[in-house]
Amino acid sequence: EAQVTQNPRYLITVTGKKLTVTCSQNMNHEYMSWYRQDPGLGLRQIYYSMNVEVTDKGDVPEGYKVSRKEKRNFPLILESPSPNQTSLYFCASSLRPSWAAEQYFGPGTRLTVT
Amino acid sequence: DAKTTQPNSMESNEEEPVHLPCNHSTISGTDYIHWYRQLPSQGPEYVIHGLTSNVNNRMASLAIAEDRKSSTLILHRATLRDAAVYYCILRDLTTAGGTSYGKLTFGQGTILTVHP
Repeated sequence: EAQVTQNPRYLITVTGKKLTVTCSQNMNHEYMSWYRQDPGLGLRQIYYSMNVEVTDKGDVPEGYKVSRKEKRNFPLILESPSPNQTSLYFCASSLRPSWAAEQYFGPGTRLTVT
Repeated sequence: DAKTTQPNSMESNEEEPVHLPCNHSTISGTDYIHWYRQLPSQGPEYVIHGLTSNVNNRMASLAIAEDRKSSTLILHRATLRDAAVYYCILRDLTTAGGTSYGKLTFGQGTILTVHP
């Protein structure tokens, strides 16, 4: 089944403890992206990747890192999480980065930083 | 970025058609109109997209005004499973590092409630 998977689905952590949220897709998609969703602010893009080893900042990249060493994986790294990073995170992918390509979203990771 | 305007909420009855409007008066000639929806506790899901002509797929129809300044997502027979937040998005071309890509900018969307 074609899908985007994220792990973990739920995570509670403390300020400053490094964490990684994994994202994997099995559709051989070139383009992958991370979003965060907050009440009243909608979904905002954090980082995106055009292909392996090609990443760039989205609208809200502060406090996050990403890497794209393999086509299927695009982990989101929080080196020193803070409470303002408490949010619902979604990974997405599409075959091409083009403007007409359908994006597939993962199920979400709910992160709480205390 | 070109913006879209949608009603905050709409209601429908099950098995009736639903017309979800979207205004995008500042749309550019190269903007695609995309619709996504987000069911409760799930990630967004692609519904349909179009450029100038009306489009149909198994989920919905997209009617685009002749001047492209508005569009309407049509669910032909609403079911309880269609209760979701519906986002109308203009997919703009943004160039980064010499490679163009299309960015999805989500607004607040329309909360659709379907009554049994």
